[in-house]
Amino acid sequence: DAGVIQSPRHEVTEMGQEVTLRCKPISGHDYLFWYRQTMMRGLELLIYFNNNVPIDDSGMPEDRFSAKMPNASFSTLKIQPSEPRDSAVYFCASSGDREVGYEQYFGPGTRLTVT
Amino acid sequence: KQEVTQIPAALSVPEGENLVLNCSFTDSAIYNLQWFRQDPGKGLTSLLLIQSSQREQTSGRLNASLDKSSGRSTLYIAASQPGDSATYLCAVNSYGQNFVFGPGTRLSVLP
Repeated sequence: DAGVIQSPRHEVTEMGQEVTLRCKPISGHDYLFWYRQTMMRGLELLIYFNNNVPIDDSGMPEDRFSAKMPNASFSTLKIQPSEPRDSAVYFCASSGDREVGYEQYFGPGTRLTVT
Repeated sequence: KQEVTQIPAALSVPEGENLVLNCSFTDSAIYNLQWFRQDPGKGLTSLLLIQSSQREQTSGRLNASLDKSSGRSTLYIAASQPGDSATYLCAVNSYGQNFVFGPGTRLSVLP
């Protein structure tokens, strides 16, 4: 398997623009996670899905953030409108179920810069 | 609410030395604990996963232990090499799939 795939790898946008980050999980994994990493706050869980259904979105900062998983092989994280404080590295991760201990595998991340 | 800390924040050792990284968590009712490695500008690579029923896991020169009752896990790296230089993070899975990450330990192994 190619592992977790994220696109784009880098995104530079102006404040107020819409940003869409994309993720393809490992085939067969039931869980998908979106994280954000900053120097100040470390790695934070934003939202996770189980079988395409959002389970916990309590980490989503505010209504400007939304995430969808229309099928088992694709998820998006959207920020609208973007703000400079959204600048961070956004990671997508996926994991299997209880049988494999829910071990998480991370994608390479998307480095977002909002000017 | 689960809180995860890691000590030390940074560590610099000469090549060949054995070392221990520490991870502490406040809520002992965990499902599992996972150790990751992160190279600068890269994603996280899974190193070891320890289930709550296990005491330790080994992979090559790495050995991770878990003591749930005291809220601690250690990552032991034997015969360190410059290629081991990276940030090491532990993540605790407390409630189903809600992982909480520690801040990481930045390791430098000097040749």
